[in-house]
Amino acid sequence: QKEVEQNSGPLSVPEGAIASLNCTYSDRGSQSFFWYRQYSGKSPELIMFIYSNGDKEDGRFTAQLNKASQYVSLLIRDSQPSDSATYLCAVNMGGGSNYKLTFGKGTLLTVNP
Amino acid sequence: DGGITQSPKYLFRKEGQNVTLSCEQNLNHDAMYWYRQDPGQGLRLIYYSQIVNDFQKGDIAEGYSVSREKKESFPLTVTSAQKNPTAFYLCASSPQGLASGTQYFGPGTRLTVL
Repeated sequence: QKEVEQNSGPLSVPEGAIASLNCTYSDRGSQSFFWYRQYSGKSPELIMFIYSNGDKEDGRFTAQLNKASQYVSLLIRDSQPSDSATYLCAVNMGGGSNYKLTFGKGTLLTVNP
Repeated sequence: DGGITQSPKYLFRKEGQNVTLSCEQNLNHDAMYWYRQDPGQGLRLIYYSQIVNDFQKGDIAEGYSVSREKKESFPLTVTSAQKNPTAFYLCASSPQGLASGTQYFGPGTRLTVL
């Protein structure tokens, strides 16, 4: 069974620190990778996606992908209390299910003022 | 404004009743999805549709039904056969032709069985 694994947390960091969120996936053929943020009681919102090995930066967020290790991460620099949320990793495993995403269970991040 | 709408926001159902959750999008997206989210379980795919008049079962389709008569609409019916329907239901859509499969979510419907 194709899986996406995340540490459920909670991950607690002080305001201004770097938060590092990690995700591993089981299907080596996976093609694209997504990070969503979900506030309590709300729906997920897309933060960023990455296709290629290496880093992709968008403001305070950096996604890192290592396909050889089947590992994708999200770094949040200068963390703010408003970043406190659950972060979902999602993977497009491609092939015949090109439009389906498999989601991890999410990591709860708490940023302490 | 372009977006995905879901209604109602909260829904209460008595045991044995069927209920229908609405999902509408004006993003001109071809693909639409229904997920269920339970505490600590992440998102689980119920049904998805890539084109009008066609849909496929996801991982947990039992006790649910869908239709896709219009590109903009993808309603989900929770039938009495679904034994534990209390959950947060999320609809998403995605533009076809993008290999990435980026999905955008509606605000969700919280269903409670009384």
